[in-house]
Amino acid sequence: AQSVTQPDIHITVSEGASLELRCNYSYGATPYLFWYVQSPGQGLQLLLKYFSGDTLVQGIKGFEAEFKRSQSSFNLRKPSVHWSDAAEYFCAVGARGGGADGLTFGKGTHLIIQP
Amino acid sequence: GAGVSQTPSNKVTEKGKYVELRCDPISGHTALYWYRQSLGQGPEFLIYFQGTGAADDSGLPNDRFFAVRPEGSVSTLKIQRTERGDSAVYLCASSFGTSGANEQFFGPGTRLTVL
Repeated sequence: AQSVTQPDIHITVSEGASLELRCNYSYGATPYLFWYVQSPGQGLQLLLKYFSGDTLVQGIKGFEAEFKRSQSSFNLRKPSVHWSDAAEYFCAVGARGGGADGLTFGKGTHLIIQP
Repeated sequence: GAGVSQTPSNKVTEKGKYVELRCDPISGHTALYWYRQSLGQGPEFLIYFQGTGAADDSGLPNDRFFAVRPEGSVSTLKIQRTERGDSAVYLCASSFGTSGANEQFFGPGTRLTVL
């Protein structure tokens, strides 16, 4: 069974600074990889996803993530954060093959933006 | 267009009671998922429907939990003999097609509180 680890429960970043949120996964092959964002009172919104091909994927709101097979990682990055980026971020994996299976989520990283 | 909707948004019940949570997926989406999100945790997969049938119910915690999707659209999650540990936000998601690569669109959730 697959699993996801997000090592940082909370991260505090100054507005305008760069951001990297860590995600490590466990899966027998290359899974489908996702990053979702959850703002207070909002539903989960997909930021970006990786299926195959180019290991650097671009998403919405200026986010990008890099898949590194050797490290089983899929870290999320943003060059300059905005106060509106404060939210909960979830990394998720989906199994390949078969069908549209449910996702396995990490426990999330709470991002705090300092003015 | 309309997104995934869930009703009610909040449900307070007493221990031992029966509850039903409803999910209206995006029109045309054949896959529907239920997740449970406890406080401070990521969403946890419960069950996945492809059309009217439950393709994977391996995440249901016990036989008090049951879900149906009789016409391949609206789904109802049913919890019998509720326990305090069932308190959580129940999320519904839908996606188009049968591939795990397809984006899952999430609803706002139903917050269930068992007193």
